[in-house]
Amino acid sequence: NAGVTQTPKFQVLKTGQSMTLQCAQDMNHEYMSWYRQDPGMGLRLIHYSVGAGITDQGEVPNGYNVSRSTTEDFPLRLLSAAPSQTSVYFCASSPSPGNTIYFGEGSWLTVV
Amino acid sequence: GNSVTQMEGPVTLSEEAFLTINCTYTATGYPSLFWYVQYPGEGLQLLLKATKADDKGSNKGFEATYRKETTSFHLEKGSVQVSDSAVYFCALRSRRGSTLGRLYFGRGTQLTVWP
Repeated sequence: NAGVTQTPKFQVLKTGQSMTLQCAQDMNHEYMSWYRQDPGMGLRLIHYSVGAGITDQGEVPNGYNVSRSTTEDFPLRLLSAAPSQTSVYFCASSPSPGNTIYFGEGSWLTVV
Repeated sequence: GNSVTQMEGPVTLSEEAFLTINCTYTATGYPSLFWYVQYPGEGLQLLLKATKADDKGSNKGFEATYRKETTSFHLEKGSVQVSDSAVYFCALRSRRGSTLGRLYFGRGTQLTVWP
């Protein structure tokens, strides 16, 4: 069972570099989202999507872009990395907004 | 608005001790409530959930009851094991309005169980 797959698992970036965190799910879920986890802060929503072609901002969207061209994929782009974006990033999906959310294993990102 | 407040840690217990981690929430309408667990170096796993008032979620010896009157969803386990050492997150999922589907997390409670 693949579930929600995130890549890469670990990444070190220099300030100003750009990169994309990949997220794919094989469960035909409509709802997908990205969270970041920081010490003492719990998880905070960055962006989410309720279906292909539809995205919206969460609590902390600045510095990140997303797109949803297919049901399966929901990549998160960092346009110009900053040290404040050092965090653990989780992708999640669910069949609909009312159902249980399933998480990927996380991507540990360090910006130096 | 929607928010979750959970007991701050860290919590340190001896094996076979009783565990309670408090969680209270504020929400518009009637949210779904969840407990997630994160083991060291891993992602979040759903531990249990409840979708309406008085529902009891249970899994792996853990339980939590959706209490609408006290807006609480406290996590309990009668006898903890070393393998329960992890970070526990309480969360609510909005089921209405402009925040439909969004998940709101507490800050997490670190549990360490000693043999």
